[in-house]
Amino acid sequence: KQEVTQIPAALSVPEGENLVLNCSFTDSAIYNLQWFRQDPGKGLTSLLLIQSSQREQTSGRLNASLDKSSGRSTLYIAASQPGDSATYLCAVMDSNYQLIWGAGTKLIIKP
Amino acid sequence: NAGVTQTPKFQVLKTGQSMTLQCAQDMNHNSMYWYRQDPGMGLRLIYYSASEGTTDKGEVPNGYNVSRLNKREFSLRLESAAPSQTSVYFCASTLQLDTQYFGPGTRLTVL
Repeated sequence: KQEVTQIPAALSVPEGENLVLNCSFTDSAIYNLQWFRQDPGKGLTSLLLIQSSQREQTSGRLNASLDKSSGRSTLYIAASQPGDSATYLCAVMDSNYQLIWGAGTKLIIKP
Repeated sequence: NAGVTQTPKFQVLKTGQSMTLQCAQDMNHNSMYWYRQDPGMGLRLIYYSASEGTTDKGEVPNGYNVSRLNKREFSLRLESAAPSQTSVYFCASTLQLDTQYFGPGTRLTVL
């Protein structure tokens, strides 16, 4: 059974720092991996989608990498800002076309 | 485009009461999903509909029923609510294998 783990559960860093969020999964048979952002009391917003054949995707200050063989993905945030404070969720699409979710990393950027 | 809309935003039920959560999307997506989100856990799939006219169980379907009314609308029904169903419920839609778009969520409390 596919399991997705995100460590740490919470992270607090000063504004301006570069940071990395981690996601690991147990079964490499995935179609894609997706990173989402969730603000308190709100829905989820898609940040990046990496197809299983790809190694990374970039959007602005965000860069996501995928290493299928080791079951790992990272989300790199450059020059963090207070507006980046949110919970970041990782999900993998399994062989049944269903998304399996991690519990998220709550990120706080201190001004 | 409104994207994915959900009603109601908040609901309080007594144990044993029934209710239907409504979801609609205007992006002409084929697939629609119902998730629940509990504190400290990732999203868990309740039911999904890969296309109009089809529905399938997800990871946690017990106590729920769904209806794919047409291509736009996908409803979730609780026939006899239980305190264990207190959660935040999200509806999502997608073209297959693409990113999922989420509604704002319904916060349900069962007393």
